[in-house]
Amino acid sequence: AQKITQTQPGMFVQEKEAVTLDCTYDTSDPSYGLFWYKQPSSGEMIFLIYQGSYDQQNATEGRYSLNFQKARKSANLVISASQLGDSAMYFCAMREVYNFNKFYFGSGTKLNVKP
Amino acid sequence: EPEVTQTPSHQVTQMGQEVILRCVPISNHLYFYWYRQILGQKVEFLVSFYNNEISEKSEIFDDQFSVERPDGSNFTLKIRSTKLEDSAMYFCASRGDGDQPQHFGDGTRLSIL
Repeated sequence: AQKITQTQPGMFVQEKEAVTLDCTYDTSDPSYGLFWYKQPSSGEMIFLIYQGSYDQQNATEGRYSLNFQKARKSANLVISASQLGDSAMYFCAMREVYNFNKFYFGSGTKLNVKP
Repeated sequence: EPEVTQTPSHQVTQMGQEVILRCVPISNHLYFYWYRQILGQKVEFLVSFYNNEISEKSEIFDDQFSVERPDGSNFTLKIRSTKLEDSAMYFCASRGDGDQPQHFGDGTRLSIL
């Protein structure tokens, strides 16, 4: 079974609008961390935001927020007020505490922000 | 802000040759990783390294691959007898203790001819 599932291979959003990128995960580990990374066309991987499985509140980091729904095992990334520079691949990832040396990555969502 | 650095940024190698990809993790980090991303595909875990030994490796990380931390700063990935399908972007990452995110280098694009 896939540990991380990103069902949207590509998304379009109008500049200045908000967009939600979906991520669901599969784990039986009671403690885990969820991460989002951005990969622009230049190729580097940029850490965006982190959510711990025991965190009560949804993580926020500037225009990024993570909509964490533990019972549904989802960790969607919300980007508010999209900018042209947000056009990139976005990867959801998970780390299981008892398997702490390995990260699982989703297949990614390519976001295109339209002017 | 400290960052993970990788060299070279692009490596072109003849099939069958050995290649060494180099990484300098963030200095106080304890866990080190190598990932591979074939063009247009997802990021694939290769290996993790902690306390001077491999802690986990994927099925991709076969006998063709090896990792070393030859000194206190470098972390290398060696690929012996390269194949065409080894062409990919290789990312090094490191993280500190606790529930910290991995920080990635900018990657080395490996092209096997």
